[in-house]
Amino acid sequence: SQKIEQNSEALNIQEGKTATLTCNYTNYSPAYLQWYRQDPGRGPVFLLLIRENEKEKRKERLKVTFDTTLKQSLFHITASQPADSATYLCALGSDSSYKLIFGSGTRLLVRP
Amino acid sequence: DAGVIQSPRHEVTEMGQEVTLRCKPISGHDYLFWYRQTMMRGLELLIYFNNNVPIDDSGMPEDRFSAKMPNASFSTLKIQPSEPRDSAVYFCASSKGGQGFSPLHFGNGTRLTVT
Repeated sequence: SQKIEQNSEALNIQEGKTATLTCNYTNYSPAYLQWYRQDPGRGPVFLLLIRENEKEKRKERLKVTFDTTLKQSLFHITASQPADSATYLCALGSDSSYKLIFGSGTRLLVRP
Repeated sequence: DAGVIQSPRHEVTEMGQEVTLRCKPISGHDYLFWYRQTMMRGLELLIYFNNNVPIDDSGMPEDRFSAKMPNASFSTLKIQPSEPRDSAVYFCASSKGGQGFSPLHFGNGTRLTVT
């Protein structure tokens, strides 16, 4: 069955450092991958989308890579700030359906 | 744009009672999704609609769950009868289709507690 794995342990980093979050998947060939941010008590908020034929996407301090051979996406936040502290979810989708399958998320804590 | 609006924000009910969750999607969005989030299972898709028509309800846990979308601006998710294992946060999301890669816009969820 399809499986998406994100590190369940919280990532704890110092302000100013680069945070790197991982999303691995198996038994799936997604056409695209999305990253969302979720704050406590709120719904997920869309951040970035990357298609299967793209290797890298950037938006301000955010960078996403997508390696379909390794079946992995990396999500980077450079010059991290305490306001970046949240849970980050990856989600995979296919061309044939509008279903998005979400990973369980990784909690990021940026210390001032 | 007010975003996706869900009500109520919190619902506490006793086992066996009927629960109705409500959602108003973003105007102009033609896809609507119902998700459930728990610590154990994460964010699970229950059902999604396109132009008010249910497209995939394979994630609906059992017959106790039903969802409707009578018009483009309103959807309900009903649980009857409710059970303690239904306790979770239920999210509604909408998107504008056509491109295949449209991001989802989530509401802030309804936290359901069934005692």
